[in-house]
Parts: sequence; C-alpha cells; structure tokens
Amino acid sequence: DSGVTQTPKHLITATGQRVTLRCSPRSGDLSVYWYQQSLDQGLQFLIQYYNGEERAKGNILERFSAQQFPDLHSELNLSSLELGDSALYFCASTRGGSLTDTQYFGPGTRLTVL
Amino acid sequence: AQKVTQAQTEISVVEKEDVTLDCVYETRDTTYYLFWYKQPPSGELVFLIRRNSFDEQNEISGRYSWNFQKSTSSFNFTITASQVVDSAVYFCALSEANDSWGKLQFGAGTQVVVTP
Repeated sequence: DSGVTQTPKHLITATGQRVTLRCSPRSGDLSVYWYQQSLDQGLQFLIQYYNGEERAKGNILERFSAQQFPDLHSELNLSSLELGDSALYFCASTRGGSLTDTQYFGPGTRLTVL
Repeated sequence: AQKVTQAQTEISVVEKEDVTLDCVYETRDTTYYLFWYKQPPSGELVFLIRRNSFDEQNEISGRYSWNFQKSTSSFNFTITASQVVDSAVYFCALSEANDSWGKLQFGAGTQVVVTP
C-alpha cells in the first residue's frame, strides 16, 4: 500500500458525459501528479500540482482539467468524454514535487466510456 | 520521440530462471533519474528502484539487481530466481533535470510471465 488513495476504483459512463476522479496524496506529500494509461498511448503524464498550484502540464486535453485543494487532495475532471478517453488514470504523490523525489502511485481509476 | 525504449514486449520464463529486462533511454541532460516500476495484474504501479545519473554503481537488493551503464544509455533490471508472483508488466521511466518538477516518461513496458 503506497498510502495514495484514489476514488472511485471503476467508473463506467457514456460519451459526452463529465466525470471527476479524486486523489488523496500520502500524508505529508505536497505534490500530486496525474497520469493516463491507455492501450495505444501507454503511460502519459498529464499534469502536476504542488501545494495547490499547477506546476507542470503534459499532454492533457483541453477537455480535461484538474485542481488541488487546500487539504492537498486533487481532482481530475474529464468532460465531453469520448470512447478514446477510456483508460486507467493514476495519481502519484511526492513530498517536494521535484526531480529528486520518488513518485508513489495510487491504485488507479479505471474509466470506461461506452 | 520516445525517450525510453523497452524493446522486449513479453518475456516468458519458468520459475527459478533469471529474467533480465532491457531499458534504453535518451536524454541530453547530465542530471536525471531512472526508475523501474512493476504493474501486477491487479493494476497498481509499484515502485521498485531508482538511480541517479551520477551513480553508476550497480547494486543488488534481494532478488532484484540493476545494471546502469551511461556509456550505452542503458538501465537493465534483473530478477534472480523468478517466482510466479513476479508475473507483471515492468516499466522503466526517466525523469530529467530540464523538467525539474520530476515528471516521469515511461517506456512501453515488458510483460513478464513466470510459469510454475
């Protein structure tokens, strides 16, 4: 158990809908990273937050957004869902959000878009 | 361009055999970190090992060992005396200093199947 929690574990929805994925970092960690794992793209970095502020952005679609709240949990919002958004979404947390930190991953949320 | 290449898609071994997973990376940075993560069938990503670019000393940790060679940009990982519980997808990942916030760039993964 990494100490990172993600809810829900599974999510099934329809095209065009909007969903929210939640991540709680390990105790004491200030930074959260979001990744998407799909069959065609593999594991891809989406976005990073540190202590409530966006720090780095990867290949995140404009239909996707995220935020980190004062209690340090983070939410990833996916809207206007398409079939291709079906994937496993991971969050990871670190203490300082820097190169020297090891990222510990949550169990993931499996999103299925029908 | 793919910065981390794992050329082996799948490796099948019988229990107690050794398994070596290849990883080749590409970076212009002199400071970077390399990682191995394991993804068992249950789906979570489990951190295994990490190495920074200034430390080429190869180590052994239990049944795991790694071989980091900057000259060939390789970071290979070996499981000694494999067990059925080692069956998983193994990912090599790179974190570069020019992106100092630590985002990971993953290879495509290698599926390891260990049969009894």
